Amino acid sequence: NAGVMQNPRHLVRRRGQEARLRCSPMKGHSHVYWYRQLPEEGLKFMVYLQKENIIDESGMPKERFSAEFPKEGPSILRIQQVVRGDSAAYFCASSPRTGEETQYFGPGTRLLVL
Amino acid sequence: AQTVTQSQPEMSVQEAETVTLSCTYDTSENNYYLFWYKQPPSRQMILVIRQEAYKQQNATENRFSVNFQKAAKSFSLKISDSQLGDTAMYFCAFPGSGGSNYKLTFGKGTLLTVNP
Repeated sequence: NAGVMQNPRHLVRRRGQEARLRCSPMKGHSHVYWYRQLPEEGLKFMVYLQKENIIDESGMPKERFSAEFPKEGPSILRIQQVVRGDSAAYFCASSPRTGEETQYFGPGTRLLVL
Repeated sequence: AQTVTQSQPEMSVQEAETVTLSCTYDTSENNYYLFWYKQPPSRQMILVIRQEAYKQQNATENRFSVNFQKAAKSFSLKISDSQLGDTAMYFCAFPGSGGSNYKLTFGKGTLLTVNP
């Protein structure tokens, strides 16, 4: 059973470009969570999605950030017009159900904005 | 708001010895889960152990065990027979309250170095 897959593992963008981060949850998992880790900090919750639904996006910046989890294909975290402050590691996690179920994390995508 | 506090930014231990990492949290919930994750130099987040608050027995996974003190809201991680591969950042994590218990709150982490 493959774990949570994220790609790309490293992404370099210039200011003003768009960044697209992909996450494929573990097989059988229909709940996806995105977290951001700034340097020297713990992970911070961004958004929680189920298939075709955004359940909670309270941790996501209102501007430039969006997320989706379509019926087919991976979950996408999209950052438009990136700025240097967006440089961080972005982790995706998945679980079979919400609530008490353990979240299993992918390897993360390291975004560097030049 | 949920808070998770890891008071030890860095710790070191000699190979084969035992080390305990501390974590305290604040919640008004009665039933919840607690997690320890490790982040080695590869930066991947790996689940180490989880504890269910309603269980009296402390969770154990091979060399990793927890000391869960519910009344004190303390959740420490003990690593026995430390190995070089245990060198990593360790994060304590706690779910949000009420209907947002999917929202993990992480401590700032403890950097553990295992010395040969």
